[in-house]
This record gives sequence, structure tokens and C-alpha cells, in this order.
Amino acid sequence: QKEVEQDPGPLSVPEGAIVSLNCTYSNSAFQYFMWYRQYSRKGPELLMYTYSSGNKEDGRFTAQVDKSSKYISLFIRDSQPSDSATYLCAMRLNTGNQFYFGTGTSLTVIP
Amino acid sequence: DSGVTQTPKHLITATGQRVTLRCSPRSGDLSVYWYQQSLDQGLQFLIQYYNGEERAKGNILERFSAQQFPDLHSELNLSSLELGDSALYFCASSVRWTGELFFGEGSRLTVL
Repeated sequence: QKEVEQDPGPLSVPEGAIVSLNCTYSNSAFQYFMWYRQYSRKGPELLMYTYSSGNKEDGRFTAQVDKSSKYISLFIRDSQPSDSATYLCAMRLNTGNQFYFGTGTSLTVIP
Repeated sequence: DSGVTQTPKHLITATGQRVTLRCSPRSGDLSVYWYQQSLDQGLQFLIQYYNGEERAKGNILERFSAQQFPDLHSELNLSSLELGDSALYFCASSVRWTGELFFGEGSRLTVL
């Protein structure tokens, strides 16, 4: 079983839709949770960074962490064509150096 | 702009050759990570350095090596290159206290 599971998609939505992206994980000791956006052939860009459980909002983006279910989500409101990218989840332990990445979900927002 | 600088952006070489990829981390970041991303593949962790010392090793081939210098820049050396080594190679640096990971724009290696 992989440490982090992420549905690769592809996911295609109309402009203005609410997008929900999800990851599940197996290690209950993960404490830090991240979402990255990667445009084609570019470096991953850090979107959201959260510690432990709860919600975090930044503009049109909301990150949720449910540690009891080992499940994290990224919601994108009022999706735009510029949101078309691959979204990667990542997480790490409270100690140690290694980050564990999902394989990414490809999102296309259709104008 | 993440503040992590990678050179070269693109590199085309032949099988059997050796190349060096360079990374400068964000100012103040002591940790450098190297990742490989092949076409339609996820990020594969290769190796991590912290303040000049190797801290963690992932799926790094014996033909590959890395080091971090006193000025904190890092180099990834790839030797005896094979067609399958064609990929994007990313460097990332980690913020010392919060652990946030920031990526460079990558070096695209094509082995012909």
C-alpha cells in the first residue's frame, strides 16, 4: 500500500464550478499537509500548507484535513481556466525530513 | 518565483554521457531535496542534504550522486546515462522552521 493515494483523474469541469480534490493516506503520524499546483513542464508551486487537522482558506482555495479518516481535500471555488493544472498532495511527519507525495490529479477547467 | 534556482533548464545529451545539474536553494534554507519526474509519473524522491550533509536517500541509482557545498548550493551528478534517465529533475529547498518545501523550475534532461 502506498503511503499516499491520489486519484490521477483526469478531472474536467466547466468554468465556475467547485472542484474537490482528495488524497488518502495510511500513516496516522503525518502532521503536515500540503497542496501543490503544477503547470505542464513547470515546477510544483506550493498552494496550501496546514498543520494537523482543520480547515485553511486562501482566496478561492480551501484545504481540509480529517485526520480521523486520514483524508485531505482541496476545494477550488469559482474555478477558472487558469486553474487547469496537475494538483499534488504531500505530507510529512512531525519529525524527519521526508515528504510523501501523491501522484497528482490532472484538472482541466473548460471556459 | 519560488526563490530556488536550477540550471540548466534544458539539457540534451547522449547515452553513456555524464551531466551535472545545479541548484541554489532559497536564501536561508539549509535543506535541499532532489526529485525526478518522468513523463506522466509522480515525483520520485532521490536524495536530501541538510547543511552539507546527506540526510535521506530515496530511489537514487548508484550511477547518480549528489553533494551540497558550503555555500549551500547543490549538484546532482548523473553518469552513464541511459534513455530511461530522460526526465525532469527538480530541486527543492525546505524552510528551516516551518518545513515548507519550495521547488525550482526543474532541469529537463533528454538522453538520446
